[in-house]
This record gives sequence, structure tokens and C-alpha cells, in this order.
Amino acid sequence: GESVGLHLPTLSVQEGDNSIINCAYSNSASDYFIWYKQESGKGPQFIIDIRSNMDKRQGQRVTVLLNKTVKHLSLQIAATQPGDSAVYFCAENLLDTGRRALTFGSGTRLQVQP
Amino acid sequence: GAVVSQHPSRVICKSGTSVKIECRSLDFQATTMFWYRQFPKQSLMLMATSNEGSKATYEQGVEKDKFLINHASLTLSTLTVTSAHPEDSSFYICSARTQGGNEKLFFGSGTQLSVL
Repeated sequence: GESVGLHLPTLSVQEGDNSIINCAYSNSASDYFIWYKQESGKGPQFIIDIRSNMDKRQGQRVTVLLNKTVKHLSLQIAATQPGDSAVYFCAENLLDTGRRALTFGSGTRLQVQP
Repeated sequence: GAVVSQHPSRVICKSGTSVKIECRSLDFQATTMFWYRQFPKQSLMLMATSNEGSKATYEQGVEKDKFLINHASLTLSTLTVTSAHPEDSSFYICSARTQGGNEKLFFGSGTQLSVL
């Protein structure tokens, strides 16, 4: 069935380096994608989103890239800081269900080494 | 940004008791809210969609008689875990969707339920 998954369960980077977190999705009908950050014991925090009519969107220190050809999504974090340590989830909007609920990927834990 | 308040943040209860979790949209109206469950080191799994003024829509495998959802107003949805068992111990998270042309989902801070 439809799924959203991640390539790497854990990513360890040095403080100041750039981080890239990847996500693969299988439903070609999805047209809205979101990245969330979740710290331990807290709810997901919206980071950035992108619609399928775009292939790149930038925010503050973050960039999301969408490659619809290979159904791949990535989150780039520039100058990674210790406060960026968390689990990152990608999510997609399954428009074909009509319910507008999100399906989440399995998550990647980002560990920033000082 | 929009704020979703979830209460309580943590609850410990005895097996067989019922627990109610509240989800409120503080600065916007939400006709639709979603309830997720998250086990340790796993992703969020959608349990049900809560619709204001109508019955909730449950995902396959989620018992509607065990997880009662009430969405009586545009700013409040509640999830009641009835006759809780230890296997119901989990992190429960609600989310609410803003309305209009630029819809976004915002999440509550979650409720850690521990059933003894």
C-alpha cells in the first residue's frame, strides 16, 4: 500500500555541518509534503512544507527538495546546531482518500555532535 | 503560528479505568482534528479523524468502542480510552487543521499514557 519511508534511521553530524535527511514516498498522487521535527516527549513541530508543483522551497536554515520523478523528498539543514537534535519525520497528504490526514514516514534521528 | 493545546501531558492509570484526553485549538477553529498514537521509537499512526458535529472516522484496526472520540465544538476534541489495558500505554497526539486556502496541520504536545 501507500507508504512514506526514510532511508536512514539515524544521522550523526558535527555542529556547523550541513545535514541532509531523505524520505521516499510511494503514492504518486500525493501533492503536499511536510517535514516535522519531534523532540523527546513532545508533539511534532512543523518545519517546512512543499506542494507538488514546486521542486524546492527554502526557509530559515532549511531547504526542502522534491523530486517527483523518483518520488523522493529531502530536508537540508544548514549549519546544524545542537538544538536541531531530534527525530525528523516527513509526511504526505493523501488526497486520494479525501480525508486530508497525514501519513508519516518512519523518522530519522538527527544527532548533532558538539 | 496556530496553537493546539493537549491535556494532560502525562497520565498514569490502573488497568480497567478510563482516561480522557483533551485537544483544543486555541486561536483558530478546527472542523477536523486527528488523533495519532505513537509507540516508542516509532512513527505516528493515525487512529481516527474527528469531525465537528458528526461521528469520528476510525482507521482500520482501531476499536471505536474503546477509543471514544467526541468533537462537540469547533475548538475541542476529546479522546477517551475506555477500560484501559497495559497495551494501551502509548504517546497520544492530536492535531488540528486550520481552514481556508492555506490549510496547515498543527500538533498538540502529546499525552503519555501509562496503564499499570
